[in-house]
Amino acid sequence: TQLLEQSPQFLSIQEGENLTVYCNSSSVFSSLQWYRQEPGEGPVLLVTVVTGGEVKKLKRLTFQFGDARKDSSLHITAAQPGDTGLYLCAPGTGNQFYFGTGTSLTVIP
Amino acid sequence: GAVVSQHPSWVICKSGTSVKIECRSLDFQATTMFWYRQFPKQSLMLMATSNEGSKATYEQGVEKDKFLINHASLTLSTLTVTSAHPEDSSFYICSASSWGLAGGIVTQYFGPGTRLTVL
Repeated sequence: TQLLEQSPQFLSIQEGENLTVYCNSSSVFSSLQWYRQEPGEGPVLLVTVVTGGEVKKLKRLTFQFGDARKDSSLHITAAQPGDTGLYLCAPGTGNQFYFGTGTSLTVIP
Repeated sequence: GAVVSQHPSWVICKSGTSVKIECRSLDFQATTMFWYRQFPKQSLMLMATSNEGSKATYEQGVEKDKFLINHASLTLSTLTVTSAHPEDSSFYICSASSWGLAGGIVTQYFGPGTRLTVL
């Protein structure tokens, strides 16, 4: 069961560029989580957004939870090669073990 | 932070053999552990939920007789892939959960994964 659609599925950009990744659903969530997974490793939690319209910043990463709590976005400013990885969203409660479809990001030096 | 380990980190086996993967919570007790399967550049797919001392709950489409899960203690869950075939080759990841923030938000702590290759 995958309740969350992520876009784009694949993204390859040059170092220094900005990008936005989207996580969309027709369902309402009380919270959403974003993870980053590097090749050959398990996912690592980046942030949990709880309130509709909430914006959280983690250095160059900005996370936003939609007002209706059905969607979320992740914006990366001045991407670096270290940002390369698979970005996953997931519900924070309820069906929290059903990850979104994922966005594979490659940042080229 | 909470640490979850997996062993082995990679395994290569012949078709028809069985492979056991261990998942351990090293510094906390995990009443519930989860097993995921992941193909290259794709998302994690939940296979089953493992509760200590009881039978695992499998997701639809996952063969419980092929993927045997045992959760014998609060710090150890094992996944055994029985009679493995090349199509079982994948990256298997476990996680252990704990109740985090108020409001029922769960924090999952993931193991580093096990790469299974069946020849």
